[in-house]
Order: sequence, then structure tokens, then C-alpha cells
Amino acid sequence: DAMVIQNPRYQVTQFGKPVTLSCSQTLNHNVMYWYQQKSSQAPKLLFHYYDKDFNNEADTPDNFQSRRPNTSFCFLDIRSPGLGDAAMYLCATSRLTGASYEQYFGPGTRLTVT
Amino acid sequence: DAKTTQPNSMESNEEEPVHLPCNHSTISGTDYIHWYRQLPSQGPEYVIHGLTSNVNNRMASLAIAEDRKSSTLILHRATLRDAAVYYCIPGGGTSYGKLTFGQGTILTVHP
Repeated sequence: DAMVIQNPRYQVTQFGKPVTLSCSQTLNHNVMYWYQQKSSQAPKLLFHYYDKDFNNEADTPDNFQSRRPNTSFCFLDIRSPGLGDAAMYLCATSRLTGASYEQYFGPGTRLTVT
Repeated sequence: DAKTTQPNSMESNEEEPVHLPCNHSTISGTDYIHWYRQLPSQGPEYVIHGLTSNVNNRMASLAIAEDRKSSTLILHRATLRDAAVYYCIPGGGTSYGKLTFGQGTILTVHP
């Protein structure tokens, strides 16, 4: 089945130690997104790619970076994780359906910062 | 981004219909109305979207007010698996489908 895969599902890192979260897709969608979801909150968009064009949300901290080496893969790098970065990180892809986009989400990676 | 107002929570019994309301009075003319849901410990899942006309799919129906300032997601027969947070999200037609999630409605389904 075509899908959005996130690895690992659970990640523990130390305060200040760089960490990379991975996302891959078999849907061949040209748009990919990263969201952050803290406990009991709604998902918050960090950035998205249209093909290789990167679009950063205005309030995304500089501590968060992303790479998309090809259509299938996208990475979220947190350069110096703080305790406040503990959250679920969701990757999504989308395709144009009619004149709007339908997003497909992965299961998320839960990041713990110790 | 258009602001939305949804009830914090709703309850239903299994096999009964559920009507989830959403107010989006500041919606722009080009914004679609999207509904996503998030089951516990999972990523959000697309449910349905529409622009002006009512829409039906295998999961739900979407009723859109004539002035587009409100909409209602209808689950025709709730099941236990429908217990989730339901998000009403105007937008998505531009900026490559960017979605701004509000707080959503927590739906509880009782057996």
C-alpha cells in the first residue's frame, strides 16, 4: 500500500544533542510537510516543500531545519533540542484533488528530550 | 487564515448520527473547507472537503451553509472507531495546501 512512513516512531535525545527525524513516502506526491504537535495541542506547521522549493513558516525557530534530497524522502533536523521541543512530529504529503490539496499523514515520531 | 470555532467536545451513542458544527465566518472566497480527524496516537486523517456545495463520501457528509460561514460534518452512523478529534480547517486551495489546525472537537462515542 502506498503510504507515508516515519522512522523512528519513538526517539529519545539529550538536551542540546542534534537529532534527525526521517520521513519517506511511496505516494509520489510533490508536496511534503512537517508539523509539530505538543501534548493536548493541535498540529502546527513548521515548513513544507513543493518539490525542492522550501517554505518556512514565519514562527518556526531557527533550531529546526529540513532537507529533501529527493521526492521520496524528507528529514527534520533539530540542531540543539531543548526540553520544549519534546513533541510528536508529523510528516505529511499532499496531492492536488480537484482544485484543493488532500494531505496524507504519517504515524508520527514522538520525540523525548532528556 | 480564517478563524474557526468548534465545540470543545461532543458525545454520541454508537449507531446514531453525529452532527459536528464549525463556524468560519472569516473564510475567504477561495478557501475550501476541510475536515480531518485524529484518532488516539495516530496522525491526522483526511475526512472530506468542499467549497460551496454539500459533499458526500464513504466516510461522511459535509453540509456547507449558503453564506459559507459555517459547515457541519455529518457521520451518519457513529461507531466506536469514530472516536477522535475532528478538525475543521478552511484553506488548502492555495499555498500548496497549507493547513492551520484549530483546537478541534473531541468526539466521544458510547457503546
